[in-house]
Amino acid sequence: SQKIEQNSEALNIQEGKTATLTCNYTNYSPAYLQWYRQDPGRGPVFLLLIRENEKEKRKERLKVTFDTTLKQSLFHITASQPADSATYLCALDPPRYGNKLVFGAGTILRVKS
Amino acid sequence: KAGVTQTPRYLIKTRGQQVTLSCSPISGHRSVSWYQQTPGQGLQFLFEYFSETQRNKGNFPGRFSGRQFSNSRSEMNVSTLELGDSALYLCASSLGPGSGNTIYFGEGSWLTVV
Repeated sequence: SQKIEQNSEALNIQEGKTATLTCNYTNYSPAYLQWYRQDPGRGPVFLLLIRENEKEKRKERLKVTFDTTLKQSLFHITASQPADSATYLCALDPPRYGNKLVFGAGTILRVKS
Repeated sequence: KAGVTQTPRYLIKTRGQQVTLSCSPISGHRSVSWYQQTPGQGLQFLFEYFSETQRNKGNFPGRFSGRQFSNSRSEMNVSTLELGDSALYLCASSLGPGSGNTIYFGEGSWLTVV
């Protein structure tokens, strides 16, 4: 069956360090992969989308990689800040399924000052 | 421009009742999708509408239904509520239904079934 796994339920890091979150999937051939941030009690906020033919995408302090051979995406936040503390969700966007995103369980990131 | 607006924000219902949730997409967005989020199951796709037609449906019982109006606004309905339907219901909109469109979520409607 199709499965998406995010590497850990929670990740604690020190302010200024780089946070790296992992998203692995099986039995999918996604055309796109998206990353969202969700704060408690709020809806997810779109961060980055990466296409299957793109290896890497950057936006300010954020970087996403997409390895379709390993079936894995890595999400990096450089120079992390306490304000980056949130739950980060990866979502697969299978082709021909419109906006039917399939989400991972999320990783809670805590950045300590 | 205004984001995705969902109403009501919070509601409490009794088992067996029904509930209707409303969603106004971002202006110009014609695709609306609904998701259920629970601590145990995470975010799960309910259904997607485009041009008043349901394009995709998730694995939920028939008690969950939805519709989209000509102005792209959408409603979802849950009949015969069960305790397990307690969740955050999220509406999301995008320009169109194709893969790769950026999807914007609302703040959600918190439903508690007692």
